[in-house]
Amino acid sequence: GQQLNQSPQSMFIQEGEDVSMNCTSSSIFNTWLWYKQDPGEGPVLLIALYKAGELTSNGRLTAQFGITRKDSFLNISASIPSDVGIYFCAGPERVRDDKIIFGKGTRLHILP
Amino acid sequence: EPEVTQTPSHQVTQMGQEVILRCVPISNHLYFYWYRQILGQKVEFLVSFYNNEISEKSEIFDDQFSVERPDGSNFTLKIRSTKLEDSAMYFCASSEAGFAFFGPGTRLTVL
Repeated sequence: GQQLNQSPQSMFIQEGEDVSMNCTSSSIFNTWLWYKQDPGEGPVLLIALYKAGELTSNGRLTAQFGITRKDSFLNISASIPSDVGIYFCAGPERVRDDKIIFGKGTRLHILP
Repeated sequence: EPEVTQTPSHQVTQMGQEVILRCVPISNHLYFYWYRQILGQKVEFLVSFYNNEISEKSEIFDDQFSVERPDGSNFTLKIRSTKLEDSAMYFCASSEAGFAFFGPGTRLTVL
């Protein structure tokens, strides 16, 4: 089946720095989703991307759907302490909406 | 804002016991899912449910697992005879338009 590879696995940054993480798939995706998971909670949808080349922002977050449809990136500008958590890329495995698969996540740490 | 709810938040059980995890999906959604997340690992798909039947299941979802929508609002996951390796966070999700909204999860601990 489809595989989603996220990098980096973890990041340690200073508060105020910008963050960039990305996700690649083994085959074409039609929708890219970015979720954030805080400790002990369920994933929360941050951004959904539907078209190749699409660039979408949600506050300090910006995500892009790669032109090849096999990758996506998520940027966070001017990081703050509440950005700490695990960021997952995800998407429907096929065009039908019946199975959403996840990458292994990028764990973001913010140093004091 | 509508949300997915799950009960209980934490379930502790003995190996071999049956557990039922409960979820109330968002009311106008048509697709329902169960995922699990073993501590420190990624979120793994278990099963999807549409039109009152399983539409897809993973290899994790063996004969020990079953799902049910007993009425118009609840969606349940039953594990018949729990194993130690079933210890995980179990997330229910529902979707309408290609992306899933997740509940807060049930932490299952099998002793």
